Amino acid sequence: KQEVTQIPAALSVPEGENLVLNCSFTDSAIYNLQWFRQDPGKGLTSLLLIQSSQREQTSGRLNASLDKSSGRSTLYIAASQPGDSATYLCAVITQAGTALIFGKGTTLSVSS
Amino acid sequence: GAVVSQHPSWVICKSGTSVKIECRSLDFQATTMFWYRQFPKQSLMLMATSNEGSKATYEQGVEKDKFLINHASLTLSTLTVTSAHPEDSSFYICSARDHQGGSAGANVLTFGAGSRLTVL
Repeated sequence: KQEVTQIPAALSVPEGENLVLNCSFTDSAIYNLQWFRQDPGKGLTSLLLIQSSQREQTSGRLNASLDKSSGRSTLYIAASQPGDSATYLCAVITQAGTALIFGKGTTLSVSS
Repeated sequence: GAVVSQHPSWVICKSGTSVKIECRSLDFQATTMFWYRQFPKQSLMLMATSNEGSKATYEQGVEKDKFLINHASLTLSTLTVTSAHPEDSSFYICSARDHQGGSAGANVLTFGAGSRLTVL
């Protein structure tokens, strides 16, 4: 059964720092991996989607990498800002047509 | 892009009543929708897979008689929490897959904004 783990569970950094969030999954046979952002009490905002054939995706200050063979993904946030404070969720689809399996998330706090 | 609308965004009800949550795909057809539940400071847990025109598939530990799912059309799935109790208070989120998304799009899901249920 696919399990997704995110480390660290929480992270506090000062504004301007670059940071890395980690995600690992137990079954490397994934179709895609997605990073989401969730603000307190809100729904999900999709940040980056990496197909299984891809190594990384970039959007603005965000860069997500995927290493299927090792079952890992990282989300790199450059020059963090207070507005980046949120919970970041990593999720994978293991089989075609099935649901996303989520990690427990990393709660990021960026102080000004 | 694909949009999924979820309604209501929040609801408060008395214990013992039933609550219906709707999930609509606004600009695409979704043969499959997924329902998740999220408790405070926890991740999203898959409750069930809803397939248009057939019975939903529930995850282990989810009571199908308590969480009724109906997916009567390609754009609408509903989750009814029957005889709700305080322990059912949670954040419920649906997601939908584009019916015509192709091999790549078939594995791209769009999420609704979620529905927060509070049972008194």
